[in-house]
Amino acid sequence: EVQLVQSGGEVKKPGESLKISCKGSGYTFTRYWIGWVRQKPGQGLEWMGIIFPDDSETRYSPPLQGQVTISTDKSIKTAYLEWRSLKASDSGMYYCARQGSLEEGMDVWGQGTTVIVSS
Amino acid sequence: SSELTQDPAVSVALGQTVRITCQGDSLRTYFPGWYQQKPGQAPVLVIHGNNIRPSGIPARFSGSSSGDTASLTITGAQAEDEADYYCNSRDNSANRGFVFGTGTKVTVL
Repeated sequence: EVQLVQSGGEVKKPGESLKISCKGSGYTFTRYWIGWVRQKPGQGLEWMGIIFPDDSETRYSPPLQGQVTISTDKSIKTAYLEWRSLKASDSGMYYCARQGSLEEGMDVWGQGTTVIVSS
Repeated sequence: SSELTQDPAVSVALGQTVRITCQGDSLRTYFPGWYQQKPGQAPVLVIHGNNIRPSGIPARFSGSSSGDTASLTITGAQAEDEADYYCNSRDNSANRGFVFGTGTKVTVL
């Protein structure tokens, strides 16, 4: 079964760092892009960025460029989303999703990781 | 970056047809993906590319595009189709990424 399993929910303080993960299984991890999508409470979906694990080509949403870092460790079939200094506005649900090519949709999604940033 | 605009909400009687639209300049170049999201759940891809339904998606879901507008049509809406729907497309700008639409809440009456 093709799956993306995300790390558990996090509660952090402003200014702290955080790295959440997304582990793929049941498919060839390096042949599919992994995208990250944010959903703030009561709001819509926000595309954050995408990475191709085979060569680590990465693209970011312009507002988030420099605010987050997307990476992968293909040896353990895992993608990451990282913050160096969290803000309260980073609170939300974060999903990773698999995408076969940039012309296709995101066909498999992780279960989501809740991030709460509060003092 | 590009923007994709959707109507905030639409309603449809059970068994009738509803069309959800998505408007944006990038749709002149790229086909969108369409995602269904029910409360408390991750989104599900229902249409992508040129009207391609992933395995397991009912045939009552279909997609089309014309100019700067794309549409998702549900023909014979069922109670379980009540959900939020989002379009998603490549971004026309230099960042070469993607953008989601503003989302449409579909209510089945």
